[in-house]
Amino acid sequence: GAVVSQHPSRVICKSGTSVKIECRSLDFQATTMFWYRQFPKKSLMLMATSNEGSKATYEQGVEKDKFLINHASLTLSTLTVTSAHPEDSSFYICSASTSGFVDTQYFGPGTRLTVL
Amino acid sequence: GEDVEQSLFLSVREGDSSVINCTYTDSSSTYLYWYKQEPGAGLQLLTYIFSNMDMKQDQRLTVLLNKKDKHLSLRIADTQTGDSAIYFCAVLNFNKFYFGSGTKLNVKP
Repeated sequence: GAVVSQHPSRVICKSGTSVKIECRSLDFQATTMFWYRQFPKKSLMLMATSNEGSKATYEQGVEKDKFLINHASLTLSTLTVTSAHPEDSSFYICSASTSGFVDTQYFGPGTRLTVL
Repeated sequence: GEDVEQSLFLSVREGDSSVINCTYTDSSSTYLYWYKQEPGAGLQLLTYIFSNMDMKQDQRLTVLLNKKDKHLSLRIADTQTGDSAIYFCAVLNFNKFYFGSGTKLNVKP
């Protein structure tokens, strides 16, 4: 149980375009979903926390107009990278929590974004 | 914030023990975790330890916590080729996770 999927697993796009990444909890309802970004050989950095039906809470330094997060249902959250640039290339990982607390989160497999 | 540090690589022979180390900076961290990430898969929780414990054993896995030195380690006994993966330590501090950069464990047959 507690499976989280992400789609797509990898995406290549041109600079200036927008890319949407989906995060789904397949067999449970996720009160809260988290979005992380991982740079090569660096740790995962929390970008934002989203609760179903409300606005996401962004971490300091993360542009909310650049990284749009929507948590429309208890099983789906989306991250849209708007007007992507090469520096946005990264590995994006989502996680989902049943309790709303970060210590019960289940991670998706990640999405590799490459912006040309 | 919290800084969590891990070495990037570890190579061991099959059957040997592996020890993956992690250091952190904030002593008010409550829970400390070890996750395993295999290629193309999400982070899988292996084990965790509460900050008032100094050791936890779960089958082949032993977690040691030295709170004074802010040092966490994961020992894998009788390491198998299937243990090859990236291992992340993570620290929970005020309901936020802080991850290390991950240690890539390579197990040679």
